[in-house]
Amino acid sequence: EIVLTQTPPSSPVTLGQPASISCRSSQSLVHRNGNTYLSWLQQRPGQPPRLLIHKISNRFSGVPDRFSGSGAGTDFTLMISRVEAEDVGVYYCMQASQFPYTFGQGTKLEIK
Amino acid sequence: QVQLQEAGPGLVKPSETLSLTCTVSGASISAYYWNWLRQTPGKGLEWIGYVYYTGGTAYNSPLKSRVTISLDMSKSQFSLRLSSVTAADTGMYYCAAEAPGAGQFDLWGRGTLATVSS
Repeated sequence: EIVLTQTPPSSPVTLGQPASISCRSSQSLVHRNGNTYLSWLQQRPGQPPRLLIHKISNRFSGVPDRFSGSGAGTDFTLMISRVEAEDVGVYYCMQASQFPYTFGQGTKLEIK
Repeated sequence: QVQLQEAGPGLVKPSETLSLTCTVSGASISAYYWNWLRQTPGKGLEWIGYVYYTGGTAYNSPLKSRVTISLDMSKSQFSLRLSSVTAADTGMYYCAAEAPGAGQFDLWGRGTLATVSS
């Protein structure tokens, strides 16, 4: 099973400032078809997870452009360019390159 | 607009079987892999498995001996059965849709809480 390790566990951020979350995989997430199935999800309080980014860097429909993803192989990053109040919640990375699909343990984004 | 809605008993006794359904609206059943996931205090977010309209399934190995995911195309529903439950199975259960080959969960239900307790 692929283990995803997220850092930091929590991130206090000032409104309008950037935020960055790291996700490191225990093995390469490059699928045999050449794609890397690493996605990022946001879970606001009391809500289900919501897809933000898929295949490392592709924003899902309706996701603001202040969210961006980068990385390759085993190291990936989610960036929020300017944090807004509605961004509070827990962020998860997820891999679907190998069964079973697995998730990071989450990073809690909170406002200072 | 595609919507997923979970339903099932909120309380299940230890050693019994948890049964949940997910009703799909606004999407063709043949368009997605239909997944179950859960979020528990002990393990966080965990993928349980999926079913495809062809009848094909995939399950997470630690749960495989206790899990069945099935599809009822006539009702646009898919179901989860988890047998021999313990307190460790208490958590929020979500259904979610994955387009074939996409490797991402585009759509999620709101979730249903399942508590295992006598």
